Amino acid sequence: EAGVAQSPRYKIIEKRQSVAFWCNPISGHATLYWYQQILGQGPKLLIQFQNNGVVDDSQLPKDRFSAERLKGVDSTLKIQPAKLEDSAVYLCASSLWGPGEGYTFGSGTRLTVV
Amino acid sequence: GQQVMQIPQYQHVQEGEDFTTYCNSSTTLSNIQWYKQRPGGHPVFLIQLVKSGEVKKQKRLTFQFGEAKKNSSLHITATQTTDVGTYFCADPSNTGKLIFGQGTTLQVKP
Repeated sequence: EAGVAQSPRYKIIEKRQSVAFWCNPISGHATLYWYQQILGQGPKLLIQFQNNGVVDDSQLPKDRFSAERLKGVDSTLKIQPAKLEDSAVYLCASSLWGPGEGYTFGSGTRLTVV
Repeated sequence: GQQVMQIPQYQHVQEGEDFTTYCNSSTTLSNIQWYKQRPGGHPVFLIQLVKSGEVKKQKRLTFQFGEAKKNSSLHITATQTTDVGTYFCADPSNTGKLIFGQGTTLQVKP
């Protein structure tokens, strides 16, 4: 089966600019997650979708981050305006019904804010 | 808040030596998952442990879940250079979100 697709692979922007990341999960996977992984740390959950509804966005900095999952398939994560501390790898993951059977991660987008 | 702690943070071994990473939680876990992330790569699911005292093996990797379901370990026998990477334990919490430990980065000297 095809994996989780993410784009772009790399992005460099200046602070205060905006950026968007795209994710296409594995076909049929109802649950989609966006994680932020800062260098040297474990991934931190930003937002969890079940189909096109938000299940958990408690750690999403909502003043600058937004995410949507239209039609319950693809998802986009946006940052506006970006700060230096947003430099990280943004990972998208999906699972069939929840965390119990393991997540499949995409290759991630490495964001550098200068 | 809910978190899992991993030790050590880094481990350097000579190829052929064994390696162990430990994961501890302050609360009882329903189950625990392990992931491997190669340098520059993304986390890849290895295994899930569910039962108290459970032991599972994948070739040279042995995973254990503590009797009290508050700790877990991953042991690699006779490491190879292909084992290089960061190993994460993760708690699939009751709220449905996967909480990762800080990871243990393994370096293997040939």
